[in-house]
Amino acid sequence: EPEVTQTPSHQVTQMGQEVILRCVPISNHLYFYWYRQILGQKVEFLVSFYNNEISEKSEIFDDQFSVERPDGSNFTLKIRSTKLEDSAMYFCASSDTGVYGYTFGSGTRLTVV
Amino acid sequence: AQSVSQHNHHVILSEAASLELGCNYSYGGTVNLFWYVQYPGQHLQLLLKYFSGDPLVKGIKGFEAEFIKSKFSFNLRKPSVQWSDTAEYFCAVNVGNTGTASKLTFGTGTRLQVTL
Repeated sequence: EPEVTQTPSHQVTQMGQEVILRCVPISNHLYFYWYRQILGQKVEFLVSFYNNEISEKSEIFDDQFSVERPDGSNFTLKIRSTKLEDSAMYFCASSDTGVYGYTFGSGTRLTVV
Repeated sequence: AQSVSQHNHHVILSEAASLELGCNYSYGGTVNLFWYVQYPGQHLQLLLKYFSGDPLVKGIKGFEAEFIKSKFSFNLRKPSVQWSDTAEYFCAVNVGNTGTASKLTFGTGTRLQVTL
């Protein structure tokens, strides 16, 4: 069964540093998403991406965040200057229809110290 | 905007007991409904989904859910739980049609603990 692959699985970074979280969506999917889950809390939507542009972003997704699909296969989330409160599990997801079928990656646990 | 409520935060059941997890959503229009499971340390996996048609939906691992439009509910059920069902369960909703990058809105989750 096709998978969404995320790397790294765990990243520790110092406050103020830039991090890039990487995702390889399923190859024939066209819609891409980032979600995050702070420990013990619900999964929250960050951003959706389609046709090489952001479709929707949440209030969490401020100027410190950006997404990119640099080479047609990877989908990245960049946090420019990390804060302690950015510590969370970040999930990438992709979908072929944009509505009905989402496949989630295993997540990247980001720890900001 | 849509929202999802899961009333049970932590449920403890003995093996073979029946399960029902509540999920209510808030949205004035047509929604698509999902239940996801997250085993410890793993990613979200889809249990089942409802878009239209028969309001009783069967999913994987013996789970089912019933969409009751008048109650804005989509409760998850399983007649007999197993120890391996210990996990976190998330109800989610989205709106829109094919061709839109529709986001999922999740509930706060229900932690199910099944004891032997």
